[in-house]
Parts: sequence; C-alpha cells; structure tokens
Amino acid sequence: NAGVMQNPRHLVRRRGQEARLRCSPMKGHSHVYWYRQLPEEGLKFMVYLQKENIIDESGMPKERFSAEFPKEGPSILRIQQVVRGDSAAYFCASSPSGLAGGLQYFGPGTRLTVT
Amino acid sequence: DQQVKQNSPSLSVQEGRISILNCDYTNSMFDYFLWYKKYPAEGPTFLISISSIKDKNEDGRFTVFLNKSAKHLSLHIVPSQPGDSAVYFCAALNSGNTPLVFGKGTRLSVIA
Repeated sequence: NAGVMQNPRHLVRRRGQEARLRCSPMKGHSHVYWYRQLPEEGLKFMVYLQKENIIDESGMPKERFSAEFPKEGPSILRIQQVVRGDSAAYFCASSPSGLAGGLQYFGPGTRLTVT
Repeated sequence: DQQVKQNSPSLSVQEGRISILNCDYTNSMFDYFLWYKKYPAEGPTFLISISSIKDKNEDGRFTVFLNKSAKHLSLHIVPSQPGDSAVYFCAALNSGNTPLVFGKGTRLSVIA
C-alpha cells in the first residue's frame, strides 16, 4: 500500500510565477490536509479537504492560495504570483476519517523555493 | 500565539540513556495528543498518541505521559538509540476539529 505521494519534491519558481503542488492520498483515504513548514518552525495547518469539498480553510492565506481535491486525481495546492515569503516545505497528509484519532499520514513534502 | 510549545529546540543524549522530550499546551479544549518524528527531507511519521482520558501510553521503547492539570506532556524514549536522532514534533487537536496544531519541534541527537 503506497503512502502519501507528493510531487514535485522540489520546485523553484521566480517571483510572480505560479506554483502547483500535487498530493495523492493513501489508497482508501478521502480526507486530505495541507500544512506549511517555514524554516525553524513547526507545521502550520492550511486547509482540509474531502473529495470535491473544502471543509476547513481557516489556515489558508486569503489571497493567491487555493486548494482543490477533485473527484478524480490528486489534490492540488495552487499558489499564484509567488513571493519570497512563500518559500517553505509544504506537506500533505491524508486520513481515512476526519474524526479525532483518525491518524494523519504525511507525504514527503514539496520544498518550494522562490527566487 | 503558540498553542503548543516545545521549549527545547535541541537535546543531546548518550546512547542507552533515557531521552525526555517535553511539550506544553495552552488550549484546554485539546483532548488528543500525538508525537511525530521527522527525518531530514522526509515527512513526519506518527510515533505515539494519547487521549486526554489517559495519563500514560506505552509502545515499546516509547512512553507518553500526560498531565492535564499542568497542560504538559512528555515523550520518554528508553533506551535511546542513534537511529532515534531526528526532530520530534508534539501535536494536539480538539475532537471534532481535525487540524493538528504542532509545536516547533525538538531536535534529538543520540550520541553513540
């Protein structure tokens, strides 16, 4: 059973470009979470999605960031017009259930560098 | 404001001795706590968890203790092994509100 897959693992973008980060959850998992880790910081929640629905986006910046989890295919985190402050590691996690105790399994992360 | 705090950025322990990693939280609504271990260039992997109805949970060399009145938990690793060298994150959540809230992590170095 493959784990959570994220690609690309490393992404370099110039300021003003768009970044698209992909996450394929574990088989059988319909809940996906995106977290961001800035240097020397812990992981910070961004958004929680279930298939075709955004459940909680309270951690998502209001502008330039969007996320989706379509019926078919991976979840996508999209950052438009990237700025240097967007440079971070972005982790996706999945779980079979959204309830407490529904363990979240993390992918290896995408390291975004904005030059 | 940091709802989950790991006040020690790093810890060095000799192989075979006990490692104790600490975590404090401020939100009394948290009722489930987890420890994740992270190696460089990898995602966090789940280590052990504890529900607020318990004060101790043990899994092999790993034990987590919860002191609800002090809003404090700790992870004990005994005996420590060089392969335990990693960053350890404490995380908490509130039942029914699923996003995990993470501490900043503690980098554990186990010296052979």
